[in-house]
Amino acid sequence: EAGVVQSPRYKIIEKKQPVAFWCNPISGHNTLYWYLQNLGQGPELLIRYENEEAVDDSQLPKDRFSAERLKGVDSTLKIQPAELGDSAVYLCASSRGTSGTRDTQYFGPGTRLTVL
Amino acid sequence: AQSVTQLDSQVPVFEEAPVELRCNYSSSVSVYLFWYVQYPNQGLQLLLKYLSGSTLVKGINGFEAEFNKSQTSFHLRKPSVHISDTAEYFCAVSLGSGGYNKLIFGAGTRLAVHP
Repeated sequence: EAGVVQSPRYKIIEKKQPVAFWCNPISGHNTLYWYLQNLGQGPELLIRYENEEAVDDSQLPKDRFSAERLKGVDSTLKIQPAELGDSAVYLCASSRGTSGTRDTQYFGPGTRLTVL
Repeated sequence: AQSVTQLDSQVPVFEEAPVELRCNYSSSVSVYLFWYVQYPNQGLQLLLKYLSGSTLVKGINGFEAEFNKSQTSFHLRKPSVHISDTAEYFCAVSLGSGGYNKLIFGAGTRLAVHP
């Protein structure tokens, strides 16, 4: 089966510009996650969706970050306006959402954002 | 609060030598434990996981890990490494709360295998 797809793979923008990342999860996976991975660190959860509902967005900086998952499949993460400190890798992951705490998360390749 | 500590940020090793990547966690409740590998410019791939049962878990690519509850550790081992094992390795703990798999990751260990 196809894995988690993310685009673009790389993005370079100037500060104060908007940027958007797209994620297509594994077919049939109900749960979708967006993670932020800073250089030299492990991923940190930004937001989790169960189908189209954002059920955990406590770590999402809502002043500049937004996300949506229309129709409960693809998802978009947006930053507006971007700041220098947003330079990082943005990872998308998905899981079946049927095994609760035993669910395995499958990760996409990530989008590496550079803000100049 | 739960946390994960990977004790070594970098581990250099020669090809065909054994390796151990160390991971300790803190939690006041039962946890599930995971090791993920990240190759350059790629996403994270699950190596192995401990949910319950035998404390020795075998994963892909010849890796294994042992869950030690008394020492709150989940160290990753491989008896003989290859050049292709060069990558970043992340240990993660599942909080197991809220009915879903919320992962807390360590900072990662960079394994560098030299010929």
